[in-house]
Formats: sequence, C-alpha cells, structure tokens
Amino acid sequence: AQKVTQAQTEISVVEKEDVTLDCVYETRDTTYYLFWYKQPPSGELVFLIRRNSFDEQNEISGRYSWNFQKSTSSFNFTITASQVVDSAVYFCALSGLTGGGNKLTFGTGTQLKVEL
Amino acid sequence: ETGVTQTPRHLVMGMTNKKSLKCEQHLGHNAMYWYKQSAKKPLELMFVYSLEERVENNSVPSRFSPECPNSSHLFLHLHTLQPEDSALYLCASSQGLHSESSGANVLTFGAGSRLTVL
Repeated sequence: AQKVTQAQTEISVVEKEDVTLDCVYETRDTTYYLFWYKQPPSGELVFLIRRNSFDEQNEISGRYSWNFQKSTSSFNFTITASQVVDSAVYFCALSGLTGGGNKLTFGTGTQLKVEL
Repeated sequence: ETGVTQTPRHLVMGMTNKKSLKCEQHLGHNAMYWYKQSAKKPLELMFVYSLEERVENNSVPSRFSPECPNSSHLFLHLHTLQPEDSALYLCASSQGLHSESSGANVLTFGAGSRLTVL
C-alpha cells in the first residue's frame, strides 16, 4: 500500500521568509513517482513538479526547490523568499507501478499562509 | 476555453434530488478522472476513464454514477446523496494512463464543483 504523510497541517510565515513543506512517503514499489501540486483558493490543483525514484538530484526552479532523499523517504519542498501569492494548499503525491491507471496517492495537504 | 472546465462551480441539493456534474477538457487528453476532496482528508480517487472506458472504480457508492460519452467530456450523476457526500469534486485529465507509459503522467485538474447536500 502507498501512503503519503504531510505532517504540517498549516504554516504561517511573513513575506520574504523561507519555508519548507515536508513530505514523507511509503511504498513497496522500486519504481515510483513523486509530485507536488499547488491548490490556490480558486480550487484547481496546479502541477509543480514530478520526480522519478531513480533521480535523486535536487531541483531548483526559481524560488522553488525540492529535496528528494530516498534514504529517509522524503520529498521536501522549499519556497525561498515567500510571497503572498504563494498562499495555497500544497499537496504531495505518490504514484507507483502497482497503482496502475495513474492512481495518485495524495497527502492531506499543507495550508501555507504568507502574510505581509 | 483551455484546460479543464467544471460546471457548476457550486451546487446545493437535497437528499432526494438528482443532479449532474460536468467536466470538459480541451487538452486532447484521452484519460479522465473524478476525485473527491473532503476537509482534512487526502484526495480520494473515485473513477478513471481511458478512451471512454471505465478502468477503475474505487468502491464508490452507487449513488454516484459516472458517464464518459467521449474523450473530452465526463459527467458525474448524483442521486439520493447523503450529507457526508458534501465535498469538492475535482475532475482531471491526462494524456495516457500511468501504466501505458514509461513515466507517470501529469494530471491537469479543473477548479472543482463544490457540492453541499442538505
């Protein structure tokens, strides 16, 4: 069975602070994919990143960076110099081959509030 | 229009009503999904359609009935719902299913239909 844990239910920061959203996963698959999605107040989930289990390189995209560590089964997401527009719910998700049919297992999400 | 469009955005219905949620994607994708999002819970996959055929049904109560008339449209027919069915229902689409490709396909989501059952 697959499981994704986002222990942080809600995080509040002041604009320009750095913030890290944690994601811990469980899977028995040797090949799997990890995702982060952002859900702004408008409702739609917006894809941020996909990483496969064989690629442990960290990735940076603008103010966003991701730290994938297989040894600790974690795929953490850091926003540098946060902005009010970053306020949203962020979901980590896992897809393994045994899931089939593109079945993503989502975490419960982390609500990020960035205040002025 | 672009992306994935869901209508209505908000729906309030009684337990004896029959209503439908509609999803339309303009991305040329061939797989579509219904997810349920309840407060404090992970997103729950309800149904998956690939090339208009249902490929997954996650033990969803029969009061939810999906329909996929073509690869661009997906419906969720609702009847005799319960108050606990109140949630945000999200539609998504992708080009191909995970099992058909060398990598997991990215889902594109709609903005959801907020359902309240009285």
